[in-house]
Amino acid sequence: QSVVTQPPSASGAPGQRVTISCSGSSSNIGRNTVNWFQQLPGTAPKLLIYSNYQRPSGVPDRFSGSKSGTSASLAISGLQSEDEADYYCATWDVSLNSWVFGGGTKLTVL
Amino acid sequence: EVQLLESGGGLVQPGGSLRLSCAASGFTFYSYAMAWVRQAPGKGLEWVSGISANGVYTFYAGSVRGRFTISKDPSQNTLYLQMNSLRAEDTAIYYCAKYTATEQLGEHWGQGSLVTVSS
Repeated sequence: QSVVTQPPSASGAPGQRVTISCSGSSSNIGRNTVNWFQQLPGTAPKLLIYSNYQRPSGVPDRFSGSKSGTSASLAISGLQSEDEADYYCATWDVSLNSWVFGGGTKLTVL
Repeated sequence: EVQLLESGGGLVQPGGSLRLSCAASGFTFYSYAMAWVRQAPGKGLEWVSGISANGVYTFYAGSVRGRFTISKDPSQNTLYLQMNSLRAEDTAIYYCAKYTATEQLGEHWGQGSLVTVSS
């Protein structure tokens, strides 16, 4: 059981906006920044968002991140079929002295 | 272009040992912290271990502390993970990952190396 919680699934129709939440505590999200990763089936994870809201070069601005208190969110606007993937949040936990991942959210594009 | 290429995975019996390697290219290896992240079959991502840019500081998940050792060799541009006392629950794809310049996890990832612990 991860110390950072994500919903197991999310869905949306093409063109819609979907958000994925990531809930933690004062020992992780409450103290540190959050990264988001996208993992397409059968491939390695890819960094989507780092330091709560920063996008690496090449990541479309349809993807955005935010953080408030002990929770963070990933928003995907203008949903496309190729966005169908697993999404993970991650942050440093000061109590565990380790990075922790959320359990992952499987996004389905209807 | 940053490239990370893992090797050394395979089938090992419970209690056995294995050493994973990650050959890095396309960036100044000694300037970046590195990590190993694993994914058990059908499961989510689990951070396993991290090492500072200069190799002095190492960090481990509780599930592997005392059994796994991370190291980096700047002369070979290679990251290692020595895995001892392997258990069935260590079965996973092991990914090598590079941190950002501000030590954010996962700017770049390798393709992964499968480790199977089974008798």
